[in-house]
Amino acid sequence: DAGITQSPRHKVTETGTPVTLRCHQTENHRYMYWYRQDPGHGLRLIHYSYGVKDTDKGEVSDGYSVSRSKTEDFLLTLESATSSQTSVYFCAITPDRNTGELFFGEGSRLTVL
Amino acid sequence: KNQVEQSPQSLIILEGKNCTLQCNYTVSPFSNLRWYKQDTGRGPVSLTIMTFSENTKSNGRYTATLDADTKQSSLHITASQLSDSASYICVVSDSGNTPLVFGKGTRLSVIA
Repeated sequence: DAGITQSPRHKVTETGTPVTLRCHQTENHRYMYWYRQDPGHGLRLIHYSYGVKDTDKGEVSDGYSVSRSKTEDFLLTLESATSSQTSVYFCAITPDRNTGELFFGEGSRLTVL
Repeated sequence: KNQVEQSPQSLIILEGKNCTLQCNYTVSPFSNLRWYKQDTGRGPVSLTIMTFSENTKSNGRYTATLDADTKQSSLHITASQLSDSASYICVVSDSGNTPLVFGKGTRLSVIA
């Protein structure tokens, strides 16, 4: 299994509070992604990174920010959580964005009350 | 707009039966297509990759096909097992720098 871990795995928080999800990899892969998965929508890209300090927005980036200060860590931050951000969040990594297989973490289930 | 459509949305079959899942895409230019299996509560895992020149590829009881002319792919599961119960996601990559395009998945339930 690819060395990718997400933390926390489960979190319940209240509307308006900040939340940070962490993705840690031991594979030294260049590309890292944050997706959210909701019923009826499938996996949707929030933000991705193609190197240290190099990030870009995905299709559902509003309300989210990311940071990558080290190759192995990719953080997803919700500055002020809303109920619409209740979801399961998946981190994924790959060495090659065009042909490479995506390796996913186990997911982080976030509930915003 | 690049899109991936999967059908059916859900499927229930008896253990031991075969089934076929469909994936239609409009992604262009096409680079490759992957099928992922996602067990409940887990992250997706790649089953197979199809490139432009490949028509058929097997991985155990899973066989993927690709028709690049009609932009269709299928995933055939033979002699289904209870452990095949999962969501199957079709993901298409173009040959540029745009992000991968995901289908919404087919939820397969295999019952005894």
